Amino acid sequence: NAGVTQTPKFQVLKTGQSMTLQCAQDMNHEYMSWYRQDPGMGLRLIHYSVGAGITDQGEVPNGYNVSRSTTEDFPLRLLSAAPSQTSVYFCASRRQGPYNEQFFGPGTRLTVL
Amino acid sequence: AQSVTQLGSHVSVSEGALVLLRCNYSSSVPPYLFWYVQYPNQGLQLLLKYTSAATLVKGINGFEAEFKKSETSFHLTKPSAHMSDAAEYFCAVSLPYSGGGADGLTFGKGTHLIIQP
Repeated sequence: NAGVTQTPKFQVLKTGQSMTLQCAQDMNHEYMSWYRQDPGMGLRLIHYSVGAGITDQGEVPNGYNVSRSTTEDFPLRLLSAAPSQTSVYFCASRRQGPYNEQFFGPGTRLTVL
Repeated sequence: AQSVTQLGSHVSVSEGALVLLRCNYSSSVPPYLFWYVQYPNQGLQLLLKYTSAATLVKGINGFEAEFKKSETSFHLTKPSAHMSDAAEYFCAVSLPYSGGGADGLTFGKGTHLIIQP
């Protein structure tokens, strides 16, 4: 199993540009989530999905869109990049059930100029 | 709603010394608790988890944690620190539902463990 994969690993954008961060998992997990990690802020939940066709907002959803058309894929779209979105983004997945561990991707380091 | 507090954003210990990373939680129902580790420039990976089977939980790399309900704590320990333990450590609490802007999993803000030679 590849686990959770993310592309790209690094990205530099200019303010106002849009892009999609890709996330895929091959473990047939129901839950998928996107987090951003900033110094001193820990992990903050952006959006999550409890199954194909179902998404919901997390703690910091503004400026981001998601969709979940398949169990495997959960892309994160930046609509109009802003310098405040400079961060490291992690995608994660887990099985439904509170005792199941979260599996994380390797992260995407995004810089917005 | 649940919450997780990790005391100390940075903890420094000497190589060979005891490692103690503190985690306190609040939860209205019996929680499931996790410790994750993040090595530099990597994603998070599971160290250990508490699922009510035993209060003392052993994880990878010699780490263990004890669930203390009366203290609402789940502190992480390792008897002897190694240079390779330098990393960011996150405590997390999980509840059996999602919604309200959360996917059922709440993370602490993390503790950066520094190992002095």
